[in-house]
Amino acid sequence: DSGVTQTPKHLITATGQRVTLRCSPRSGDLSVYWYQQSLDQGLQFLIQYYNGEERAKGNILERFSAQQFPDLHSELNLSSLELGDSALYFCASSVGSSGTRETQYFGPGTRLLVL
Amino acid sequence: GENVEQHPSTLSVQEGDSAVIKCTYSDSASNYFPWYKQELGKRPQLIIDIRSNVGEKKDQRIAVTLNKTAKHFSLHITETQPEDSAVYFCAATNGGNQFYFGTGTSLTVIP
Repeated sequence: DSGVTQTPKHLITATGQRVTLRCSPRSGDLSVYWYQQSLDQGLQFLIQYYNGEERAKGNILERFSAQQFPDLHSELNLSSLELGDSALYFCASSVGSSGTRETQYFGPGTRLLVL
Repeated sequence: GENVEQHPSTLSVQEGDSAVIKCTYSDSASNYFPWYKQELGKRPQLIIDIRSNVGEKKDQRIAVTLNKTAKHFSLHITETQPEDSAVYFCAATNGGNQFYFGTGTSLTVIP
């Protein structure tokens, strides 16, 4: 157990809908990273927040948004869902802001299925 | 942006043999290269990493080598065991916190 928690574990929804994925980092970690893992695209970095502020942005669609709250938990909002958004969504956390200096600890993931 | 290619996509080895997974990257500014292991249905876990100022790093049965000139890095697992069976991902970043991942290698160790 990495200490990173994600809810829900599974999510089934319909095209056009909006969902929110939640992540709580390890105690003491200030950075949260979001990743999307799909069969055809592999593991893709979406976005990073550090202490409430956006720090790095990857291949995140405009339909997706994220935020990190004062208690450091983070939410990833996915809207106008399409079939291709079906994937496993991971968050990871680390102590500081630099992904190259600290280990990232991954949560168990949220499996999203869009029908 | 960075492009990371990983080969092979699947690899089967006999228990006790060595396994080698190779990755190439395109951005010469990339300076940090982690490797992750993901067991079926589980989360990715960092197993070893290397920075651009080092050519090789070893941790027990796992080693990583980096050739900056050729822009490739490799994961070496010696004396493989059935519990090494998993999907392995390489990644690269230039320090900007955006990680680029390879497409993964599914390793099967046959007892």
